[in-house]
Amino acid sequence: AQKITQTQPGMFVQEKEAVTLDCTYDTSDPSYGLFWYKQPSSGEMIFLIYQGSYDQQNATEGRYSLNFQKARKSANLVISASQLGDSAMYFCAMREGGTGANSKLTFGKGITLSVRP
Amino acid sequence: KAGVTQTPRYLIKTRGQQVTLSCSPISGHRSVSWYQQTPGQGLQFLFEYFSETQRNKGNFPGRFSGRQFSNSRSEMNVSTLELGDSALYLCASSLDRRRMEMNTEAFFGQGTRLTVV
Repeated sequence: AQKITQTQPGMFVQEKEAVTLDCTYDTSDPSYGLFWYKQPSSGEMIFLIYQGSYDQQNATEGRYSLNFQKARKSANLVISASQLGDSAMYFCAMREGGTGANSKLTFGKGITLSVRP
Repeated sequence: KAGVTQTPRYLIKTRGQQVTLSCSPISGHRSVSWYQQTPGQGLQFLFEYFSETQRNKGNFPGRFSGRQFSNSRSEMNVSTLELGDSALYLCASSLDRRRMEMNTEAFFGQGTRLTVV
């Protein structure tokens, strides 16, 4: 089974509107962290937001917020007031605790977001 | 503060050849991870080095290897190149202790785009 699932096809949003990008995950580890990264056409992965499995509140970072529903194993990214520069690929990723070094990030397939003027 | 630097940015190689990619992490970061990104498989974890030791490894054949130097710079090597090795190879560095904290952010470089012909 896939650990991170991002099934939305290419997403379109009007400038200044909000958009939600879906992410579901699968883990049996009680300790895990969820990340969202943005990848513009230049290739560099840019960190957006982090949510820990034990965090009581949903994470927020500026225009980005994470709708974390632990029982449903979903961690959807909400971008408010979309800007043209938000057009990019968006990846959801997970780090699991376990007994290892925790260094591995498991990524979803990504979602392409296009912001229309 | 300089970001993660990967060289070269683009590379074209012939099947059967070998290739070495370089990654200079952010100053002070001792953890360096490598990922392969392809349209079909998405982002996949190759390996991670911490203080010159491989600390974590993904499911890639032995043709893929890496090393880390005392200044934390890392190289990855792919021997006997195959057409399927064509990909964007991303390096990420992290500020880390002996065991990575769950919320440790990975800072990515712009990647090396390898084309095997």
